[in-house]
Amino acid sequence: EVQLLESGGGLVQPGGSLRLSCAASGFTFNNYAMIWVRQAPGKGLEWVASTSGNGVSTYYADSVKGRFTISRDNSKNTLYLQMTSLRAEDTAIYYCVKDPDFYGSGSYCDYWGQGTQVTVSS
Amino acid sequence: EIVLTQSPGTLSLSSGETATLSCRASQSVPARYLAWYQHKAGQAPRLLIYGASRRATGIPDRFSGSGSGTDFTLTISRLEPEDFAVYFCQQYGNTPPITFGGGTKVEI
Repeated sequence: EVQLLESGGGLVQPGGSLRLSCAASGFTFNNYAMIWVRQAPGKGLEWVASTSGNGVSTYYADSVKGRFTISRDNSKNTLYLQMTSLRAEDTAIYYCVKDPDFYGSGSYCDYWGQGTQVTVSS
Repeated sequence: EIVLTQSPGTLSLSSGETATLSCRASQSVPARYLAWYQHKAGQAPRLLIYGASRRATGIPDRFSGSGSGTDFTLTISRLEPEDFAVYFCQQYGNTPPITFGGGTKVEI
């Protein structure tokens, strides 16, 4: 059974940093791209970033480019999202998502975690 | 970037009825690369349909997807109590970025 368990969310001040983690199990982690998707309060879903199965290729939404970094440790079956220069508009539930493909350039999302809340506020 | 618009925003129905949800794209979605998801509060979203009409593993056949180009539909036949949730569409034919619709809430 595929399981994705996010952690690391919380309350942070504007301009601060936070690192999210996603522990994956139930599949061969390094065979698949992984994705972060977020949902702000009252808003729809927004793709944040993707990384290929080997972590070599990464892709970012314009709204986070230069501030967020997606990475993965395939030896630990763990996906990360390092978030810096956080803004109020980054407040959202962040979901860890598995891609059915290796490359990460764009596909549907076959498994989702339950999400972790990030709140940016003073 | 392809913008997806879902309608209606809320659909009020009863168990046993049929729900018809629409997802309209701002430009043609290549290769029918459109997916549908079910999301219940506090739970992980669940993939229902990919490739516009292909059911994901374990999804009952009362869920069906159709459409191409800019107009797509999710039909839920014989609504069960557990089907009341938010449904959203996603395109992955013109990426990055993948984009999502705003969602349709199916309520009793």
